[in-house]
Amino acid sequence: AQSVTQPDIHITVSEGASLELRCNYSYGATPYLFWYVQSPGQGLQLLLKYFSGDTLVQGIKGFEAEFKRSQSSFNLRKPSVHWSDAAEYFCAVGFIGSGNTGKLIFGQGTTLQVKP
Amino acid sequence: DAGVIQSPRHEVTEMGQEVTLRCKPISGHDYLFWYRQTMMRGLELLIYFNNNVPIDDSGMPEDRFSAKMPNASFSTLKIQPSEPRDSAVYFCASREPGGQETQYFGPGTRLLVL
Repeated sequence: AQSVTQPDIHITVSEGASLELRCNYSYGATPYLFWYVQSPGQGLQLLLKYFSGDTLVQGIKGFEAEFKRSQSSFNLRKPSVHWSDAAEYFCAVGFIGSGNTGKLIFGQGTTLQVKP
Repeated sequence: DAGVIQSPRHEVTEMGQEVTLRCKPISGHDYLFWYRQTMMRGLELLIYFNNNVPIDDSGMPEDRFSAKMPNASFSTLKIQPSEPRDSAVYFCASREPGGQETQYFGPGTRLLVL
């Protein structure tokens, strides 16, 4: 079955420190990969996405993510975290070709807390 | 572009009452999704439509829940009768044609059933 795992439910980092949020998916088909961010009381906003080509993708707000097919991972990174980055982050996967159902599979989310 | 529009943004109702949530997708998008988010269960896909036709409603929790999409610019999610355990944030999302799967979310409706 298709699934997405975000191993870290909650992460705390200091402002200015680097950040990496993990995401792993399970399925053999070629994936579309997404990261969304949800600030408190808000909807989900698309941070970045990967469809094909360069496996390192840049997104909004200084975020980037790297697709590693061999590890079935799509980890989100930011070199220097700002207090405004405190939010919940969701990884999501869609599948191309025969695995395509038209919907995305979302991870459980990682809550990021930023210490001053 | 106005993005996905949901109404109401907040709804407080009493158990047993009917609740109707509304969604206007982004113009030109051909997929529409309804999600529910709670602390306990996270983000759950309830139902989704393609070209106004329901494709998968396996996430709809009970017969009390129903969803319609009478045209390309409007969808409703109805709960009748509502129960306290239905309290959650309900999101609508839409997706453009072309198969690249990107979903755009509305701001959500916060539902509280007393």
